[in-house]
Amino acid sequence: QSVLTQPPSVSGAPGQRVTISCTGISSNIGAGYDVHWYQHLPGTAPKLLIYGNTNRPSGVPDRFFGSKSGTSASLAITGLQADDEADYYCQSYDNSLTAYVFGTGTKVTVL
Amino acid sequence: QVQLQESGPGLVRPSQTLSLTCTVSGASTSSDRHYWSWIRQPAGKELEWIGRVYTSGSTNYNPSLESRVIISVDTSKNQFSLKLRSVTAADTAVYYCARGSIIITTKWNYYFDSWGQGTQVTVSS
Repeated sequence: QSVLTQPPSVSGAPGQRVTISCTGISSNIGAGYDVHWYQHLPGTAPKLLIYGNTNRPSGVPDRFFGSKSGTSASLAITGLQADDEADYYCQSYDNSLTAYVFGTGTKVTVL
Repeated sequence: QVQLQESGPGLVRPSQTLSLTCTVSGASTSSDRHYWSWIRQPAGKELEWIGRVYTSGSTNYNPSLESRVIISVDTSKNQFSLKLRSVTAADTAVYYCARGSIIITTKWNYYFDSWGQGTQVTVSS
């Protein structure tokens, strides 16, 4: 069972803004560990979207925005596009489990 | 462009050892700036970090799997490998290899900046 909880699904129309939450606890996000975000289309390599809570790797459009506060983090996608349809995962470190941990995953659907 | 490619048997018998190799191109496993990790995802479940290896050969493992796992690196071939012994049906999953990088903020943080596309491994007799 994952220690990082995400909503199973979110949806939005093209051009709209959606937000995905990642809720942790005091031994991971609440302990000050950064949150990173990945986009995954089944059958393909997962892609890093955000690292260190807010940083975008080269090539990731600024429509993707990461934030963190307390024991939670969020990924916002603005100007939703059809090719944003994918699964999204958050990731952090848990010092109680002494392991890198992933969120439960969120499927984004573009209506 | 960094590319990682997993290879190995897609079917493993129960109680046997699962062995996978990740071949890296566009980057070097000799780099002292990166770690090399294995991650898996059973069908319908979340991603699980298995462990990582550094160019020196030093390793860190997920405590939930540590007693059964060995991860090693072969810098001469630019590859790293996973061995998981005494497998059961619960080890059936898509296995990914990934490159890890570090960002230091209030703590040392590790994230996966390049991934392979994954390989399905089924444990069945």
